Amino acid sequence: QKEVEQNSGPLSVPEGAIASLNCTYSDRVSQSFFWYRQYSGKSPELIMSIYSNGDKEDGRFTAQLNKASQYVSLLIRDSQPSDSATYLCAATSGSARQLTFGSGTQLTVLP
Amino acid sequence: DTAVSQTPKYLVTQMGNDKSIKCEQNLGHDTMYWYKQDSKKFLKIMFSYNNKELIINETVPNRFSPKSPDKAHLNLHINSLELGDSAVYFCASSQVLAGFNQETQYFGPGTRLLVL
Repeated sequence: QKEVEQNSGPLSVPEGAIASLNCTYSDRVSQSFFWYRQYSGKSPELIMSIYSNGDKEDGRFTAQLNKASQYVSLLIRDSQPSDSATYLCAATSGSARQLTFGSGTQLTVLP
Repeated sequence: DTAVSQTPKYLVTQMGNDKSIKCEQNLGHDTMYWYKQDSKKFLKIMFSYNNKELIINETVPNRFSPKSPDKAHLNLHINSLELGDSAVYFCASSQVLAGFNQETQYFGPGTRLLVL
C-alpha cells in the first residue's frame, strides 16, 4: 500500500513566524511531489511542486525534498492569517498519473 | 474562464436514488480524474481517464461508473446511493509534457453530495 503521511495538526503559528509542514512517503519510486493548499469549502490549489533533491523556493514558500529519507517538507516564511488552510502533500506512485495524497495538515496563523 | 467545472455544486438526495455528476475542462488536457474527499479531508483517487480510456480504477463499489464522452468531459454516475457515499467529489485534469514524467493536476470546485 503506497502511502503519504502527514501530521494532521492542527498546527498554530503566530503571524510572521515560519510554519513548517512535513510529509513522508512510502513508495521509493515516487518521482514528483506536490503541496496543495485547501481552504475550507474550496478545492485543492497547487502551491508548490518539487522533483529533485534539495530546496525549491517560490516567494514565501520553500519546498524541501530528501529522496533518501523519503521526506518532503514545506516552509512558509512570514506566515499570514490568509495562509490558514489545510495543506495536502501528494506524491506520484506507479504511473506518473496517479497522485497519492496525505490526510492534510491544518494550519492556523494567529494574528 | 473556469478551467475545470463541475455540476451540480450541491446534491442532496435520498438513499437508493441514482445520480450523476458532470465535469468539463477547457484546458486541453488529456487526462481527467475523479477523487472522493471524506469528512476527514482525506482525498482519494477513484478513477482516471486518458483520452477517453480508463487508466486508473481504484477499488470503489461498482455502483460508481465513470463515463468519458470525449477528452474534455468525465462524468460520474452513482447507482443506489448509500449514506456512506456522502462526501465531496472532485474532478481534476492534467497534461503530461512530452519528455517529462511530471504533471500538475488542476481541480474543479467540487460537488458536495449528501445522501439522506
